[in-house]
Amino acid sequence: DIQMTQSPPVLSASVGDRVTLSCKASQNINKNLDWYQQKHGEAPKLLIYYTNNLQTGIPSRFSGSGSGTDYTLTISSLQPEDVATYYCYQYNSGHTFGAGTKLELK
Amino acid sequence: QVQLKESGPGLVQPSQTLSLTCTVSGFSLTSYNVHWVRQPPGKGLEWMGRMRYNGDTSYNSALKSRLSISRDTSKNQVFLKMNSLQTDDTGTYYCTRGFYNNFDYWGQGVMVTVSS
Repeated sequence: DIQMTQSPPVLSASVGDRVTLSCKASQNINKNLDWYQQKHGEAPKLLIYYTNNLQTGIPSRFSGSGSGTDYTLTISSLQPEDVATYYCYQYNSGHTFGAGTKLELK
Repeated sequence: QVQLKESGPGLVQPSQTLSLTCTVSGFSLTSYNVHWVRQPPGKGLEWMGRMRYNGDTSYNSALKSRLSISRDTSKNQVFLKMNSLQTDDTGTYYCTRGFYNNFDYWGQGVMVTVSS
């Protein structure tokens, strides 16, 4: 099974910061990776699909990149409403979520 | 509009069987996949299994021996059954629509507690 490792587990940042979240797969996943945002008490929401495609309605400050085993979610200018846990998810072989990165305001 | 809603018992006794229903609207089960994802309290997401648009199913290998997913297209419902429940099966269970390989719509989730 493919393992997904997200780092850091917790990230504290200030409003307006550029924030980078990482996700590393245990083997090549051929860009078959999504990012989901989950706010407290809510269901997850699709942010980015197939590595770098912004889901409809998601603000353009969110972007994704990566290839092979290494992937990144970037928030160009952190907003208070971005406080959430972010999960990467691979579907190249089976279906695996990372453990999540909790994003907090400093 | 697209909606999914999970329903089922909030409390299940250990060793018993969990039965959940996902009722969908705004799309056809014969055109889209429906997945089940669960989340233990305070922990991350776990993919459980999938009902494909054509009726095929696939399961998380760690749960496969205990899990069954079925559907009734006439009622727009997808069912999850999992047996031999233990306390670590406690959590929120979500159904979600699969659009290609992405989960574009989610239900609100249903909290299930396994306890005697």
